[in-house]
Amino acid sequence: DAGVIQSPRHEVTEMGQEVTLRCKPISGHNSLFWYRQTMMRGLELLIYFNNNVPIDDSGMPEDRFSAKMPNASFSTLKIQPSEPRDSAVYFCASSRNLGGTYGYTFGSGTRLTVV
Amino acid sequence: RKEVEQDPGPFNVPEGATVAFNCTYSNSASQSFFWYRQDCRKEPKLLMSVYSSGNEDGRFTAQLNRASQYISLLIRDSKLSDSATYLCVSSAGTDKLIFGTGTRLQVFP
Repeated sequence: DAGVIQSPRHEVTEMGQEVTLRCKPISGHNSLFWYRQTMMRGLELLIYFNNNVPIDDSGMPEDRFSAKMPNASFSTLKIQPSEPRDSAVYFCASSRNLGGTYGYTFGSGTRLTVV
Repeated sequence: RKEVEQDPGPFNVPEGATVAFNCTYSNSASQSFFWYRQDCRKEPKLLMSVYSSGNEDGRFTAQLNRASQYISLLIRDSKLSDSATYLCVSSAGTDKLIFGTGTRLQVFP
């Protein structure tokens, strides 16, 4: 089992640039979650999908953030334009079901720095 | 009020000590509960599920009190390798998991 795979591991970009984060969930997991973690706010749920359909994006901070899941094995989180306050670690997680009966499995995260 | 609240710590304990963490959750409809462990600059990893009857996994014991809406984690015979941040997690009803901000544990020799 390869686990949840995220890329890139680190991203440094200039303010105003577009950033795309990628995630491959565990095969057979139907639900996918994007989280953001900062020291101040901890783990914040941004958006989640069930069977490739977005269920709740109320955690997305603003219109600069968008996420897609075109198929069961791939999702992207895009920030356009990026701002320094977007600097954080972005985690993708997947699970067999929405309710997380078995918990979520996290990827290694993408550490984003916007300068 | 946060949906899941934890004491951020840090808890500094010597090797061999017993340490306990508590957390409270606000959604009385929560169905699933977990403890996750997160090492510095790593992703959260599932430590154990928490069941109504309480459950044990080696040196770790988890308890759930639905009436008071709190969850606890007890670590016996602490090891240096237990040093990490422990995240309390509850489900928002039957949909999505909510993570606490974590309790930091530092075990010293």
